[in-house]
Amino acid sequence: AQTVTQSQPEMSVQEAETVTLSCTYDTSENNYYLFWYKQPPSRQMILVIRQEAYKQQNATENRFSVNFQKAAKSFSLKISDSQLGDTAMYFCAFRKGGGADGLTFGKGTHLIIQP
Amino acid sequence: DAGVIQSPRHEVTEMGQEVTLRCKPISGHDYLFWYRQTMMRGLELLIYFNNNVPIDDSGMPEDRFSAKMPNASFSTLKIQPSEPRDSAVYFCASSHVGGPYEQYFGPGTRLTVT
Repeated sequence: AQTVTQSQPEMSVQEAETVTLSCTYDTSENNYYLFWYKQPPSRQMILVIRQEAYKQQNATENRFSVNFQKAAKSFSLKISDSQLGDTAMYFCAFRKGGGADGLTFGKGTHLIIQP
Repeated sequence: DAGVIQSPRHEVTEMGQEVTLRCKPISGHDYLFWYRQTMMRGLELLIYFNNNVPIDDSGMPEDRFSAKMPNASFSTLKIQPSEPRDSAVYFCASSHVGGPYEQYFGPGTRLTVT
């Protein structure tokens, strides 16, 4: 079974600052995918970024980037130039490769962007 | 394209009543997932379907929970009888074969059992 751990229950930064959210996971799989989802107060789950385990290059989506360290089983999310709209819960998620499967989520980090 | 549609958005019911949650996946998606979100347990997978067939229901908490997918565009999650500890947000998500099988979530149904 896979486990996903997010060790920061809550973080708060000033607008325009850069913030990094931590995620570690445990698995015996070699082929898998990692995701970061955002859940704003509306509770809609929004995919922020994904990483394929077989790719060494870190994924980037505009202001969002990841630091994927496969050997260390670490998958952190960096948000640059943070905006008020980034205030939300952020969930790290794992999925086995080789076919669609359910996601295993971490407990989440509540990110607050202060004006 | 319409996203995943769930109904109702909110449901309040009394203990012992039957509750049915509904989901319409994104057209063309052949995987459908049901998740539950609570403060205590976070987000957990209940069951998922592939081409309308249940593949893994190991996350269904007990026999009071059942899920069906009679066709590619509709799924239900039923709780009978409901209990206060079933209060949670229930999400439906869908994905399709190809690439990382990204899952697209519906808006969720907030269930309150009194």
